Amino acid sequence: GAGVSQSPRYKVAKRGRDVALRCDSISGHVTLYWYRQTLGQGSEVLTYSQSDAQRDKSGRPSGRFSAERPERSVSTLKIQRTEQGDSAVYLCASSPRDRANEQYFGPGTRLTVT
Amino acid sequence: KQEVTQIPAALSVPEGENLVLNCSFTDSAIYNLQWFRQDPGKGLTSLLLIQSSQREQTSGRLNASLDKSSGRSTLYIAASQPGDSATYLCAPSGDSGGSNYKLTFGKGTLLTVNP
Repeated sequence: GAGVSQSPRYKVAKRGRDVALRCDSISGHVTLYWYRQTLGQGSEVLTYSQSDAQRDKSGRPSGRFSAERPERSVSTLKIQRTEQGDSAVYLCASSPRDRANEQYFGPGTRLTVT
Repeated sequence: KQEVTQIPAALSVPEGENLVLNCSFTDSAIYNLQWFRQDPGKGLTSLLLIQSSQREQTSGRLNASLDKSSGRSTLYIAASQPGDSATYLCAPSGDSGGSNYKLTFGKGTLLTVNP
């Protein structure tokens, strides 16, 4: 069946602009996660949300990152006032209700901030 | 805060060799640990998941062990093949703060298997 998909796959943004990255999870999955992967620092969780919450539960203190859940299987990661340090690959993952410890990853969006 | 270290950062071996990838983590209060494979430009593929109560898991030529108390895991790949070339990531989930399912990733080991 269809896996997790992300769009766009590549995004170039000028510093200071806002960007929105989309994730379509597997139908029926309840929890969505956003991770950021950088070459030098590895990967870290940014935020996650469960099916009954449209707003995210942030893993990062920065207010520039937020995630919304306009539909149960869709999440949008929003980055405000992008900085060059935001250049990274952003990975989305989702997990089913009955196997919450299994996360299925999308292909990622590579963001470059110029 | 959970921190994950993977050694070596890169490894190049001839086809057919057996190899071991190492992972260590600082917070032993984990829920489980996964090993992922990542190919260039692609997402993550889960290879093995070890529950915190388990000592090892096997899938085909892959064997992963977990020593939770010492904060270590190893991924053993038998009879390596060129198709095994990829970056391998170790990711424990959970920490003392009670975040059961959030994964913390290491920086990965870049494996190259030469034909």
